[in-house]
Amino acid sequence: SQTIHQWPATLVQPVGSPLSLECTVEGTSNPNLYWYRQAAGRGLQLLFYSVGIGQISSEVPQNLSASRPQDRQFILSSKKLLLSDSGFYLCAWSGTSKGELFFGEGSRLTVL
Amino acid sequence: AQSVAQPEDQVNVAEGNPLTVKCTYSVSGNPYLFWYVQYPNRGLQFLLKYITGDNLVKGSYGFEAEFNKSQTSFHLKKPSALVSDSALYFCAVRPNSGGYQKVTFGTGTKLQVIP
Repeated sequence: SQTIHQWPATLVQPVGSPLSLECTVEGTSNPNLYWYRQAAGRGLQLLFYSVGIGQISSEVPQNLSASRPQDRQFILSSKKLLLSDSGFYLCAWSGTSKGELFFGEGSRLTVL
Repeated sequence: AQSVAQPEDQVNVAEGNPLTVKCTYSVSGNPYLFWYVQYPNRGLQFLLKYITGDNLVKGSYGFEAEFNKSQTSFHLKKPSALVSDSALYFCAVRPNSGGYQKVTFGTGTKLQVIP
């Protein structure tokens, strides 16, 4: 069966520090991968998606970036965090470009 | 552009009563429709989907949803609510057309089941 792992679960970082959130998927190959941010426990904002290694599409301009160094690994990064980057970050995968998404357990980032 | 509306910010229902969480959508062409549930500080869990075929879709934990094309709705239902159903529910839509298609989520409806 397929599983998705996301870490760290919780992160407290000072403004201006770097960020790296990691996500890996097991039990499938060539998944579509996604990073979402959920603010205030409600709305989901798509940040990045990837349909293959090295293929990253950005949905919104921001100081975040994403990379996909391996087929089942998706990394969300920032060189310098802003206060506004605080939130709940969710990684997800789908088996096809039209299928349902399967989410990780999330990473809660607090920028102080 | 596609969109999803969940008109109720919160739904309260007594345990044992039927529940409905409403969702309407707007999309070009035919839709793929989804429902997800989120418990506090957890990721979203997939409940059910409509792709094509029977308008009544059955999913996990006794939930079902009815696709109504003329009303562009996809309401989530359960015949008898449990306290453990209390959570945040998201409706989502994706166009049924070629290539990658973005998923659009609603803003969520908080379901509170009262013992």
